[in-house]
Amino acid sequence: QVQLQQSGPGLEKPSQTLSLTCAISGDSVSSNSAAWNWIRQSPSRGLEWLGRTYYRSKWYNDYAVSVKSRITINPDTSKNQLSLQLNSVTPEDTAVYYCARAAAGENWFGPWGQGTLVTVSS
Amino acid sequence: EIVLTQSPATLSLSPGERATLSCRASQSVNYSLAWYQQKPGQAPRLIIYDTSNRATGIPARFSGSGSGTDFTLTISSLEPEDFAVYYCQQRSNWPLVYTFGQGTKLEIK
Repeated sequence: QVQLQQSGPGLEKPSQTLSLTCAISGDSVSSNSAAWNWIRQSPSRGLEWLGRTYYRSKWYNDYAVSVKSRITINPDTSKNQLSLQLNSVTPEDTAVYYCARAAAGENWFGPWGQGTLVTVSS
Repeated sequence: EIVLTQSPATLSLSPGERATLSCRASQSVNYSLAWYQQKPGQAPRLIIYDTSNRATGIPARFSGSGSGTDFTLTISSLEPEDFAVYYCQQRSNWPLVYTFGQGTKLEIK
């Protein structure tokens, strides 16, 4: 079955760039039947979808309006993983970050990665 | 953007009782609704997709229903492992966004 394993630092300083990776097993980041998403969760904002990357003969990205100017999601086909970069972070970006798979044409997420708590603090 | 409002915020019940969780959308949902279960320290787990379909491995005591702006998750007879937080989720286009409700905490009475 599909499994997602997240990695990355748990602490970032304000104004720096948050970087996380999500390694995929049991599926391919280049699959034509999946999209790969990042979602975060915080007490103040709840669960918030951040964006996705997917491959349909070429690569596509969609980002949430709230983070569009600061976010990049990239696939890494050589390592079968995806990455998240969020620039110019502030304490409001403190959250548990999850990667999650969505099947093509479907509107729900499963499975999810284990989550990474990222704290933004000086 | 469609806002999902879940009620109640907390539901206190005993094992064996029936649980009814509500998710109301601020406008009609264009696509179907999903429900997730989250336990402390864990990622959310999909339990219902397309409003009424159980995800793989989800027991038959879980059921989903609804349409338009009103949706319900029902657990027919609570087991000890069902006590958790439940979230509903929908998708909108233009702009693309997936939104979640704020959650209902199902706790043991």
